Amino acid sequence: QQPVQSPQAVILREGEDAVINCSSSKALYSVHWYRQKHGEAPVFLMILLKGGEQKGHDKISASFNEKKQQSSLYLTASQLSYSGTYFCGTEKNTGNQFYFGTGTSLTVIP
Amino acid sequence: KAGVTQTPRYLIKTRGQQVTLSCSPISGHRSVSWYQQTPGQGLQFLFEYFSETQRNKGNFPGRFSGRQFSNSRSEMNVSTLELGDSALYLCASSFRSGTYNEQFFGPGTRLTVL
Repeated sequence: QQPVQSPQAVILREGEDAVINCSSSKALYSVHWYRQKHGEAPVFLMILLKGGEQKGHDKISASFNEKKQQSSLYLTASQLSYSGTYFCGTEKNTGNQFYFGTGTSLTVIP
Repeated sequence: KAGVTQTPRYLIKTRGQQVTLSCSPISGHRSVSWYQQTPGQGLQFLFEYFSETQRNKGNFPGRFSGRQFSNSRSEMNVSTLELGDSALYLCASSFRSGTYNEQFFGPGTRLTVL
């Protein structure tokens, strides 16, 4: 039930855009997005719920396609500080176990 | 508001020993989840405790156990350590009783088994 993330790794130049995808084979209640910098703990970015509600940082945008059980994280006008590993986490129902993807390594270069 | 704290931050043990890790959640959070993170494996879910009861459990052997106290602090114990247990162990706290169940992670405990 682990979600599948793509791509596994991406390298961007400052100012470029990127999209990270997260797919699940199960119907989901929520999708979470986290970013982990090297040597640090994962940090919450955004949560998207079935039905359209979402909560997260103003500078981060994401979508959740309930029909496809797929979520996408959009990183626009990337900055050096965006570098890190991005994880999606999924929850089948509220209160159920979280499953995290294997992560997408994002590197932004000058 | 203070964040999630984990102690100790680093541990070195030898095979066969046992270890106990501690996690203090954000004040007011009743859920604590534990994850094992190794290179290439991402975040592997160990278990979740909510109001002192194990609510969810991942696919780890019985050598991995945990508990939660009335103040929501949680401990994780690994007995008979194996080399493959070397990893970063993260705990995360959450309200888990509302609409949004975002998790807040602690800095982790880096366990090395020799």
